[in-house]
Amino acid sequence: DQQVKQNSPSLSVQEGRISILNCDYTNSMFDYFLWYKKYPAEGPTFLISISSIKDKNEDGRFTVFLNKSAKHLSLHIVPSQPGDSAVYFCAASVSSGSARQLTFGSGTQLTVLP
Amino acid sequence: DVKVTQSSRYLVKRTGEKVFLECVQDMDHENMFWYRQDPGLGLRLIYFSYDVKMKEKGDIPEGYSVSREKKERFSLILESASTNQTSMYLCASGFSDRKYFGPGTRLTVT
Repeated sequence: DQQVKQNSPSLSVQEGRISILNCDYTNSMFDYFLWYKKYPAEGPTFLISISSIKDKNEDGRFTVFLNKSAKHLSLHIVPSQPGDSAVYFCAASVSSGSARQLTFGSGTQLTVLP
Repeated sequence: DVKVTQSSRYLVKRTGEKVFLECVQDMDHENMFWYRQDPGLGLRLIYFSYDVKMKEKGDIPEGYSVSREKKERFSLILESASTNQTSMYLCASGFSDRKYFGPGTRLTVT
């Protein structure tokens, strides 16, 4: 049973427009959420995170929104650039427990068209 | 910059072989992790370690074991490789929630 779900395996967006990537979770104990970006032949790299005490976190062109009641988070990229083309994974963790394990979604392939 | 290195980028092994995947990190992190990435399934945690000689099972430990003899090194062992272990293997280290990943090892078992 997947506790973190990314229901869109792929997304294509025109350069300069907004990219919105979505993620849903089922475990109400999750209290920290992250987005990772992965290029082919490279490991995932951390992009942005949000704690459950917030509903929005912004870092340059990237904004993450958290809706706890809906158990939904989204990543907005504005404006989208061709270099943003990658697989995006959302991940979640629980405060308790050793080593703060992350539970990952299945990923969304974003393609930004020039 | 945090650096996590993995011993091989590509590996081809035969069914039944014993396979070692090595991972080294240079940031003195206590926590290290092994994930596998498969299409449509994302990253799934195999094993993790929160200290030298300490290990815990992740979500899919069957068919794998690990070794952590030194803080900077975390090894994943496939005792008898099977074709369903063909996958991308990613090592990570980190503290708190942020993890730093290595480039991955693409393992093919034939």
